[in-house]
Amino acid sequence: EDQVTQSPEALRLQEGESSSLNCSYTVSGLRGLFWYRQDPGKGPEFLFTLYSAGEEKEKERLKATLTKKESFLHITAPKPEDSATYLCAVQGGQAGTALIFGKGTTLSVSS
Amino acid sequence: GAVVSQHPSRVICKSGTSVKIECRSLDFQATTMFWYRQFPKQSLMLMATSNEGSKATYEQGVEKDKFLINHASLTLSTLTVTSAHPEDSSFYICSARDLGRGRAGELFFGEGSRLTVL
Repeated sequence: EDQVTQSPEALRLQEGESSSLNCSYTVSGLRGLFWYRQDPGKGPEFLFTLYSAGEEKEKERLKATLTKKESFLHITAPKPEDSATYLCAVQGGQAGTALIFGKGTTLSVSS
Repeated sequence: GAVVSQHPSRVICKSGTSVKIECRSLDFQATTMFWYRQFPKQSLMLMATSNEGSKATYEQGVEKDKFLINHASLTLSTLTVTSAHPEDSSFYICSARDLGRGRAGELFFGEGSRLTVL
């Protein structure tokens, strides 16, 4: 069964305290792994797409990496405005072109 | 960038009434749109895949007669929750893929529609 598991469920950081979020997946025929940011009461906002193991992408304080079984979202020197829920999703397997989402990691950054 | 717009953003209705939610791709054409539902502190769950000019494909456990989907044009898909009940209260989010962006096409999401059924 296609599955996406994110950990931890919640993460509290001090401003400037770097950390990583994990996304483990099992899917047959991965076509892409996606990271989204979701603020309360809003739709997901696209961050990155990774297509193959070894690929890395960066955007400001965020860096996403991909292996054959998991992806990491590294947050360097986070700021309070980085507080949000970060969602990981995969495309492939039985879902076809739709995305299979994990439950997300809720990040809180305090100043 | 590509934008997907949903309307209404919030709707409150009485039990037994029907509610229509619109999803529009504003600057690209989308032959396929996806409808998701998200309960509090839960992941987005795919409800159905909306195909322009043909019937929608529903996920297992989603009642097609209750959640009517119409994809009448390349920029508009609608989700109608018929005879809504309190258990249908949720956050409904649509998404559309811009095939002109990225290798697999970037999937953009609307702002979501919060449905509350009294």
